[in-house]
Amino acid sequence: AQSVTQLGSHVSVSEGALVLLRCNYSSSVPPYLFWYVQYPNQGLQLLLKYTSAATLVKGINGFEAEFKKSETSFHLTKPSAHMSDAAEYFCAVNTRGGGTSYGKLTFGQGTILTVHP
Amino acid sequence: DTGVSQNPRHKITKRGQNVTFRCDPISEHNRLYWYRQTLGQGPEFLTYFQNEAQLEKSRLLSDRFSAERPKGSFSTLEIQRTEQGDSAMYLCASSQGPSNQPQHFGDGTRLSIL
Repeated sequence: AQSVTQLGSHVSVSEGALVLLRCNYSSSVPPYLFWYVQYPNQGLQLLLKYTSAATLVKGINGFEAEFKKSETSFHLTKPSAHMSDAAEYFCAVNTRGGGTSYGKLTFGQGTILTVHP
Repeated sequence: DTGVSQNPRHKITKRGQNVTFRCDPISEHNRLYWYRQTLGQGPEFLTYFQNEAQLEKSRLLSDRFSAERPKGSFSTLEIQRTEQGDSAMYLCASSQGPSNQPQHFGDGTRLSIL
């Protein structure tokens, strides 16, 4: 079974400050990992994905994440927060393989990011 | 690429009524997924299709729920005899090919049970 834990349901930063959103996963096989962002009353938008190429993954809007197998982590960072980054962020894991059980994403509970002027 | 489209965006109904939601995936995507999201939680998997075949169904999906994807294109999710606990955002996503490909989400249907 796979699971995702996002540490911190709310993170607050000042505009221009570093953003760090934490994600730890549990998977019995090497995972595929994703970060999504959700704005109010909207669906989820993909920020970035890790699928076993480079461990440092760059995404949209200046976000990046580093896969650390030894720590089972996939934390999301952005060097300088912008007001438009305020949203809810979800980390998700999918399982490798081609079997019928390998289609679904398992999500963390989300982290709400607030950016102060 | 017109994105994943879901209709209606909002549905308000009385307890005990039946509701049906529609999802139109990205046209070349062969996989289609339904998730449910309640307030303050991440989306939870309900079911998924590869082409017209329903390959997996969550234990969250009671007998009151049914999903179809008759021609491998759009999908419908029906809830019969709705209950208060069914109030949630229902999200549809689609992807092409294996599980390393990202799922693209629609804007969801928000269901409110009176």
